[in-house]
Amino acid sequence: NAGVTQTPKFQVLKTGQSMTLQCAQDMNHNSMYWYRQDPGMGLRLIYYSASEGTTDKGEVPNGYNVSRLNKREFSLRLESAAPSQTSVYFCASTSGPVSYEQYFGPGTRLTVT
Amino acid sequence: AQTVTQSQPEMSVQEAETVTLSCTYDTSESNYYLFWYKQPPSRQMILVIRQEAYKQQNATENRFSVNFQKAAKSFSLKISDSQLGDTAMYFCACMDSNYQLIWGAGTKLIIKP
Repeated sequence: NAGVTQTPKFQVLKTGQSMTLQCAQDMNHNSMYWYRQDPGMGLRLIYYSASEGTTDKGEVPNGYNVSRLNKREFSLRLESAAPSQTSVYFCASTSGPVSYEQYFGPGTRLTVT
Repeated sequence: AQTVTQSQPEMSVQEAETVTLSCTYDTSESNYYLFWYKQPPSRQMILVIRQEAYKQQNATENRFSVNFQKAAKSFSLKISDSQLGDTAMYFCACMDSNYQLIWGAGTKLIIKP
């Protein structure tokens, strides 16, 4: 049982490049989330997926797109990276009404130069 | 909109001492969940303790306990017999009616030997 996995762990992009962050969970959770964490701030929600086939914007969705590929996988895409997107990105999942606890992946440190 | 405020950016205590981290929140929901998460230098987000707002009894998990004051919208975390391994960022979070977490900015806790 690996929990929530994310790839890659580190990435450096040049301004304007694109990339996709991958996330997968093996806990049969319905809901999945993408957050970004910037220094001195708490986590901010980018997008979430309440269930397979649905996605919704969070607090800071601009510059990002997501795909809920199936129940296990939820990817985050940066189409044209900008220095303001330099951050640590976390994926999380939850079983929902059972406990509402969110389980987190190890994070991806992204630097855009 | 919900907000979560952690007024202590950084705290430090000696090993074995007791420390209390403060958190206040604002919500219009009648029922909600509150969480404390720990983020050690490894960057992994780990659930410390969870409180359901409709439960009057304060949650406890071994050395960790909360002081939940619903009327004052206060949710502080007490760590007893602090250990070096407790050194981490601590985040308070409140779940809104869409099952999304609203996060505080965090408190950096340093346990000194």
